[in-house]
Amino acid sequence: EVQLVQSGAEVKKSGESLKISCKSFGYGFDTYWMAWLRQMPGKGPEWMGIIYPGDSDTRYSPSFEGQVTISADKSLNTAYLQWSSLKASDTATYYCARESTKGMDVWGQGTTVTVSS
Amino acid sequence: QSVLTQPPSASGTPGQRVTISCSGSSSDIGSHNVNWYQQLPGTAPKLLIYSNDKRPSGVPDRFSGSKSGTSASLAISGLQSEDEADYFCAAWDGSLWLFGGGTKLTVL
Repeated sequence: EVQLVQSGAEVKKSGESLKISCKSFGYGFDTYWMAWLRQMPGKGPEWMGIIYPGDSDTRYSPSFEGQVTISADKSLNTAYLQWSSLKASDTATYYCARESTKGMDVWGQGTTVTVSS
Repeated sequence: QSVLTQPPSASGTPGQRVTISCSGSSSDIGSHNVNWYQQLPGTAPKLLIYSNDKRPSGVPDRFSGSKSGTSASLAISGLQSEDEADYFCAAWDGSLWLFGGGTKLTVL
């Protein structure tokens, strides 16, 4: 079964760093693009960026460029999203999603990040 | 403010047909395919419709999608209580995916 399993909820303080993960099961991890999305309460998802684990080619939405870093370790079938200095405005649920010819067709269960000031 | 425009809410009674609209521009919906996602309370979004009108395997044929110009629609026929959820449209704009703000569907 194709599945994406994300790391657990995080509670952090402003200024701290954070790296969350997304482990894939059931398909060739390095042959599909992996996207990261942010969803704030009551809002639609926002596409943050995407990585191709096969060669680590990475693209960012202009809204998130320089604010986060997307990476992947194909030996672990795992993609990552990281912040070097969190802000209260980063409080949201973050999803990874596999991108196929159908669009984002498989999603992780989400990781809730809460940042207190 | 989301780039794709959806009505914030919609409602219907069991068995009814409801439609949800999604409005964009010539650079997104007007030039690219539209996907629809269903998000049940407390869960991740699930792909419901891709490439304007195609259903992934396992999605009931009660769900259908269409696109015309810079707008798209999701139709749900034979409404059921388990259809109560948030629905999002999404379109590629050439460099990133854009989403609508979502429509909360209530089954009365």
